[in-house]
Amino acid sequence: DGGITQSPKYLFRKEGQNVTLSCEQNLNHDAMYWYRQDPGQGLRLIYYSQIVNDFQKGDIAEGYSVSREKKESFPLTVTSAQKNPTAFYLCASRKTGAQNQPQHFGDGTRLSIL
Amino acid sequence: AQSVTQPDIHITVSEGASLELRCNYSYGATPYLFWYVQSPGQGLQLLLKYFSGDTLVQGIKGFEAEFKRSQSSFNLRKPSVHWSDAAEYFCAVGAQAGTALIFGKGTTLSVSS
Repeated sequence: DGGITQSPKYLFRKEGQNVTLSCEQNLNHDAMYWYRQDPGQGLRLIYYSQIVNDFQKGDIAEGYSVSREKKESFPLTVTSAQKNPTAFYLCASRKTGAQNQPQHFGDGTRLSIL
Repeated sequence: AQSVTQPDIHITVSEGASLELRCNYSYGATPYLFWYVQSPGQGLQLLLKYFSGDTLVQGIKGFEAEFKRSQSSFNLRKPSVHWSDAAEYFCAVGAQAGTALIFGKGTTLSVSS
């Protein structure tokens, strides 16, 4: 079945360390997204990419970086510059070309600080 | 600018009772509207979507939503709630194709027995 796979499910970061969250999709979607979810804050957009080798900052991009070298993959790196990284991170993808297309979500990665 | 407001942060409903979750949007053109549900520690699952035609749309798990342009609303309803419906619900509006959906902050539904 097609879908979005996020790994790992749980991740721990030490102070000063960069960590990378994986997101892979086999839905043949052009657009991919990263969200951060904190209690009571809803989903906040970190980065998104509409095509390979191109990506845009979202509302809270500071302290994060992404790459989009392949259509299927959109990894997110949480850098040491992100001082409050503890959150639930969600990856999504969407078929482009029509506004009525929904976003499909992975099951998320929970990042905590050691 | 587009925005989505879910006025209720938390709602408690008795099992078997009816449910209505409110969603108001701000969008200049014809909106494309979605409802998602999230169980704890999981991703978001699409319940239903509206983009044209009949203003009452049916979704999965017995949910429906009604689009009211005059009220800029897209409220989610279910005639009889089950304990398994306890979750967080998000309303979203679609902007330009390929850009991210704009989400409300969510409504947490609790179901009492």
